Amino acid sequence: EAQVTQNPRYLITVTGKKLTVTCSQNMNHEYMSWYRQDPGLGLRQIYYSMNVEVTDKGDVPEGYKVSRKEKRNFPLILESPSPNQTSLYFCASSSYNEQFFGPGTRLTVL
Amino acid sequence: KQEVTQIPAALSVPEGENLVLNCSFTDSAIYNLQWFRQDPGKGLTSLLLIQSSQREQTSGRLNASLDKSSGRSTLYIAASQPGDSATYLCAAYSGNTPLVFGKGTRLSVIA
Repeated sequence: EAQVTQNPRYLITVTGKKLTVTCSQNMNHEYMSWYRQDPGLGLRQIYYSMNVEVTDKGDVPEGYKVSRKEKRNFPLILESPSPNQTSLYFCASSSYNEQFFGPGTRLTVL
Repeated sequence: KQEVTQIPAALSVPEGENLVLNCSFTDSAIYNLQWFRQDPGKGLTSLLLIQSSQREQTSGRLNASLDKSSGRSTLYIAASQPGDSATYLCAAYSGNTPLVFGKGTRLSVIA
C-alpha cells in the first residue's frame, strides 16, 4: 500500500530536549516536505527536499533541521524545542504533482 | 507571492443539499490545484487534482473546476451527507515553489 508514515504520532516533551520526527514514504517519490498546522494560520511549509542530499527552506524554517540521506526518509529535527513549536506536523511526498500526506505528529513542548 | 483564499471559513448545510466551496488564488501561473479533505486531528486526504490544462475533474459526488484566468476553483459536492463533514482545503502548486494552501472551509452537514 502506497503511504507516508510518521513517528511518533504524539509527543510531549520539554523545552530544549532534542527530538526527531521520522518520515518515510514507499512511493519512490523525489519530492518530500514538512508542514506545520496551527489554528488560524493554516498549513505552512517548514522545509522541502527535491531529491537526496537536496533540501531547502520553506516559509517557516527557523528552529528546525532536516536531512535527506535516502530517498524514502526525510526526518525533521528540533535541536532545542521551544513552546512556540507546539503544533501538528505533517510530512508529505509527491512526484512533482499530486501530494500525499502522512497522518500527522502532534507535538507539545512544555 | 502566491496567496490562496477560501471563503467561507465555515459552512453548515442540511443533509441532501448540493453545495459549492470556493478557492481563489492570486497568481494564475499554476501547474495544478489540489483539493484535500481533513478530518479533525487527522491527516490530509487528496480528493481531486486538476492540472493547469484541465477545466474540471470528477470523482463520485465531487466535482472540481478550475478557471485560471479568474484565479478561481470550486469544489461541488452533490447530495451532501453527514459523513462529508470535515475541513476542505485547496492548494496551488506553481512549480519549484512550495505548495500554497488556503486556510480551509469547515463543513458541517446536519442530519
